[in-house]
Amino acid sequence: GAVVSQHPSRVICKSGTSVKIECRSLDFQATTMFWYRQFPKKSLMLMATSNEGSKATYEQGVEKDKFLINHASLTLSTLTVTSAHPEDSSFYICSAILRLASYNEQFFGPGTRLTVL
Amino acid sequence: AQKITQTQPGMFVQEKEAVTLDCTYDTSDQSYGLFWYKQPSSGEMIFLIYQGSYDEQNATEGRYSLNFQKARKSANLVISASQLGDSAMYFCAMREGVATGNQFYFGTGTSLTVIP
Repeated sequence: GAVVSQHPSRVICKSGTSVKIECRSLDFQATTMFWYRQFPKKSLMLMATSNEGSKATYEQGVEKDKFLINHASLTLSTLTVTSAHPEDSSFYICSAILRLASYNEQFFGPGTRLTVL
Repeated sequence: AQKITQTQPGMFVQEKEAVTLDCTYDTSDQSYGLFWYKQPSSGEMIFLIYQGSYDEQNATEGRYSLNFQKARKSANLVISASQLGDSAMYFCAMREGVATGNQFYFGTGTSLTVIP
């Protein structure tokens, strides 16, 4: 199946710093990528839809200025958590959409665990 | 209203037995897709099975089958011959029609524990 990578897999940072997470589709082009946030033992919460060459679409309640998304190419989307605070600590998962003949399949990255001290 | 409802927060099954994980959905779209994903403790989301709203037959993928009852709006996952490695969180998801821009809705998940 298609492969999506995320980097880094784990990051620990100090409060007030910015953290960039990369999401890459390794063997296919993805015009649409999603960014999710997941709290322990909870479901995935969609944060934003990232479209190549255009601005991301954010879900209600997600701060655009805090979670910057850039989808600069068909294989790369980045999420930057600006001025991170402890409450931003979470598991962040990206996914990329592969358009198949009969349906769109979503392939997930392995996730990035962010801990803000 | 919740788009996807999973009413079983936790389930236990004996190794080699079959187990059914429940999922109901809510949509007014005629065209939609239903997915099941497995998330082990590592955090990675693993695609298991897909059912299209127009598919007349229930989807099957190896030991996984989807019991699709369109009138009831349910899409239960059946795992046959459970293995210890099946212990994980399982999420049901739905993609609605074109107008929603490929957005997926996830249920709250079911934690499955396979007992030796």
